[in-house]
Amino acid sequence: DTGVSQDPRHKITKRGQNVTFRCDPISEHNRLYWYRQTLGQGPEFLTYFQNEAQLEKSRLLSDRFSAERPKGSFSTLEIQRTEQGDSAMYLCASSLDGGGYETQYFGPGTRLLVL
Amino acid sequence: DAKTTQPNSMESNEEEPVHLPCNHSTISGTDYIHWYRQLPSQGPEYVIHGLTSNVNNRMASLAIAEDRKSSTLILHRATLRDAAVYYCIRTRSSGYSTLTFGKGTMLLVSP
Repeated sequence: DTGVSQDPRHKITKRGQNVTFRCDPISEHNRLYWYRQTLGQGPEFLTYFQNEAQLEKSRLLSDRFSAERPKGSFSTLEIQRTEQGDSAMYLCASSLDGGGYETQYFGPGTRLLVL
Repeated sequence: DAKTTQPNSMESNEEEPVHLPCNHSTISGTDYIHWYRQLPSQGPEYVIHGLTSNVNNRMASLAIAEDRKSSTLILHRATLRDAAVYYCIRTRSSGYSTLTFGKGTMLLVSP
């Protein structure tokens, strides 16, 4: 257990539905990342928060995706009008801005299946 | 491009040492080398990192070539629990660093 939690752990939804995932980072960590991982591939970066500010978004993050981190604590990732191609593991990671090298701590992930 | 090159898979026997290679020939002078691993159905977990000198921690050792174009993760005595995908990643030495994962090396450990 890294101290990063994600909820839910599994989600099955029908195409066209909206889904929302939650990530609770390690409490003192000010950096938060979302990644997506499909079968047989390594995780791919989606978006990055420094405190409550969303500072970087990948081109993978289409208009149907939105992420928030109110008050710089937990974060949510919402996917609107889900498509079968959205089926993947969604991973959250957090880290502390220590002014030097960075180690990210990952949660267990939310596995999404879109039918 | 923050690419590294790793073999797709490696096999080991339990209680034997394992050397996992990584090529990062285009690494810049200030990039760190991080290793993460991912056990089945789990998120990645940090293993070790280094800049220039060899590093040891309770999980593994990291040997970095003198020219920094390659490195080797060393598991001194593999256990069945070490069976995972191992990722070698270059990271910036300052500021935030989005991790660029390749496909990694799948380590199979036999009893």
